[in-house]
Amino acid sequence: SQTIHQWPATLVQPVGSPLSLECTVEGTSNPNLYWYRQAAGRGLQLLFYSVGIGQISSEVPQNLSASRPQDRQFILSSKKLLLSDSGFYLCAWVRLRPDEKLFFGSGTQLSVL
Amino acid sequence: GENVEQHPSTLSVQEGDSAVIKCTYSDSASNYFPWYKQELGKRPQLIIDIRSNVGEKKDQRIAVTLNKTAKHFSLHITETQPEDSAVYFCAASSSNFNKFYFGSGTKLNVKP
Repeated sequence: SQTIHQWPATLVQPVGSPLSLECTVEGTSNPNLYWYRQAAGRGLQLLFYSVGIGQISSEVPQNLSASRPQDRQFILSSKKLLLSDSGFYLCAWVRLRPDEKLFFGSGTQLSVL
Repeated sequence: GENVEQHPSTLSVQEGDSAVIKCTYSDSASNYFPWYKQELGKRPQLIIDIRSNVGEKKDQRIAVTLNKTAKHFSLHITETQPEDSAVYFCAASSSNFNKFYFGSGTKLNVKP
């Protein structure tokens, strides 16, 4: 079956520390993958999307970067976290068959202190 | 890029009443419009979607309508129940690379 895994579920990091969030998809090949961020009580902001290995598109300039080292792996990183990086980070993928639908991972609640 | 606007930001209804949430989009190339329900601290869950070749779709108490000419679509929930209380997001998908853009969300409160 097709599933998406995202970890960790919660993370508390000091300002200036690095970040690495990982997302993997099972049961499909060459999926479109996405990172969204949701500030407290706010909407979903598209950060990055990827249509294939090594192909990353950034939607907004920020303190974050993304990488796709393998077909079903998507990583969100930062070298030095800022307070404003706090939020709920969601990985997502598009299921193309039988029809196009976007599904989310369980999310990572990041608190930068 | 696509711009999706959603109204209202908060909506309070009495149990059993209907709730309507409206969204507009800007990119005429958008052809897929899903709706998500998000409970506190959880991931958004897809509840219904509509594609540009249909004007209305219904699934039990939930329905979505689409007006491509006016570039707006709406979520209708009938016979609301307290468990319908959540934040609802609309989205529009562009035809390029399957990007999804979300509205700002509507917090629905169903009072028992």
